[in-house]
Amino acid sequence: EVQLVESGGGLVQPGRSLRLSCAASGFTFDDYAMHWVRQAPGKGPEWVSGISWNSASIGYADSVKGRFTISRDNAKNSLYLQMNSLRAEDTALYYCAKDRLWGSYSSHFDYWGQGTLVTVSS
Amino acid sequence: EIVLTQSPGTLSLSPGEGATLSCRASQSVSSNYLAWYQQTPGQAPRLLIYGASSRASGIPDRFSGSGSGTDFTLTISRLEPEDFAVYYCQQYGSSPRITFGQGTRLEIK
Repeated sequence: EVQLVESGGGLVQPGRSLRLSCAASGFTFDDYAMHWVRQAPGKGPEWVSGISWNSASIGYADSVKGRFTISRDNAKNSLYLQMNSLRAEDTALYYCAKDRLWGSYSSHFDYWGQGTLVTVSS
Repeated sequence: EIVLTQSPGTLSLSPGEGATLSCRASQSVSSNYLAWYQQTPGQAPRLLIYGASSRASGIPDRFSGSGSGTDFTLTISRLEPEDFAVYYCQQYGSSPRITFGQGTRLEIK
């Protein structure tokens, strides 16, 4: 069974940093691209960032480019999101999501975690 | 950036009826890379359809997707109680500029 478990969310002041983690199990982690998708309260999902299986391809939404950094550790079956210079508009539930296609960066998602909540407020 | 507009915003129907949800793109979606997701309260989105018309693993055949270019449709035949949820379309043809629609809420009439 595929499982994605996010952690690291919390309440943080504007301008500060936070690092999210996602622990993956139930599939061969280093065969798949992985992504972060966020959802603000009452809003639709917003793709944040994605990383290919070998970290060779990385993408970011314009809204986070230059502030967020995605990374992965295939030996630990883990995905990360380093979030710097946080803003109030970054407040959302952050999901870790698995790319559907083996060995590809297709950017549609067949498994999602339950999310970790990030609240940016003074 | 491709903007996806979903209609209607809310759809009120009864179990057993059929539902038709629309997703219109501001420009053509490359290779019909259009997905549909279902989200129930407190849960993560669930992939229903990818490539505009292919059902994801484990999805019942009462869910079907169609369309191409800029106009896409999700059809649910014979609504079951568990189908009442929010539905989102997503285009992934212009990666990394991936976008979602604003959602259609399917509610029990």
